[in-house]
Amino acid sequence: AQSVAQPEDQVNVAEGNPLTVKCTYSVSGNPYLFWYVQYPNRGLQFLLKYITGDNLVKGSYGFEAEFNKSQTSFHLKKPSALVSDSALYFCAVRDWNQGGKLIFGQGTELSVKP
Amino acid sequence: GAGVSQSPSNKVTEKGKDVELRCDPISGHTALYWYRQSLGQGLEFLIYFQGNSAPDKSGLPSDRFSAERTGGSVSTLTIQRTQQEDSAVYLCASSFQKGTNEKLFFGSGTQLSVL
Repeated sequence: AQSVAQPEDQVNVAEGNPLTVKCTYSVSGNPYLFWYVQYPNRGLQFLLKYITGDNLVKGSYGFEAEFNKSQTSFHLKKPSALVSDSALYFCAVRDWNQGGKLIFGQGTELSVKP
Repeated sequence: GAGVSQSPSNKVTEKGKDVELRCDPISGHTALYWYRQSLGQGLEFLIYFQGNSAPDKSGLPSDRFSAERTGGSVSTLTIQRTQQEDSAVYLCASSFQKGTNEKLFFGSGTQLSVL
């Protein structure tokens, strides 16, 4: 089955510093990868996706993600973190072997301190 | 409404009781998902409806869990004989999955507490 892994439960970053939230995937065939964010007391929101094309995809709120086929990774990045970026981040992959359902990783808690 | 609506927002029940959780997806969305979010457990897939296809029930944790989607719209997740380990936030999401890369829109969830 297709899967994604987020190796870090928590990431701590100082405001203004670059941030990276890691995600690796395991799929057969071409991966369809996504990032979602869950702000405190708010619902999950779509951030960005990679289907095909450029390896660097840009999304909402200044986030971007880099698809790396050789490393089977899809890390989420932002050049300069804001305190308001503090949230729970989920990586996800479409499992086309099972009807296209979306499978999520376990989530990474990002904390940005002033 | 404009978004995915879930009700109730909070449900407290006693162990052994049955509960029903409701999801109203965005109008016209053909795909509907149920996930469960527990502390430290991430998002656990439960069930997936796509159009008129048979639902993917592979994530349901036991036969106490069932879900239906009537008329291709509203969905109900039913948990029979609830247990304390069922306590979690149950999230519903929908998408217009005509293509291959449609994003999901999530509801605010139902916080279920089993005493």
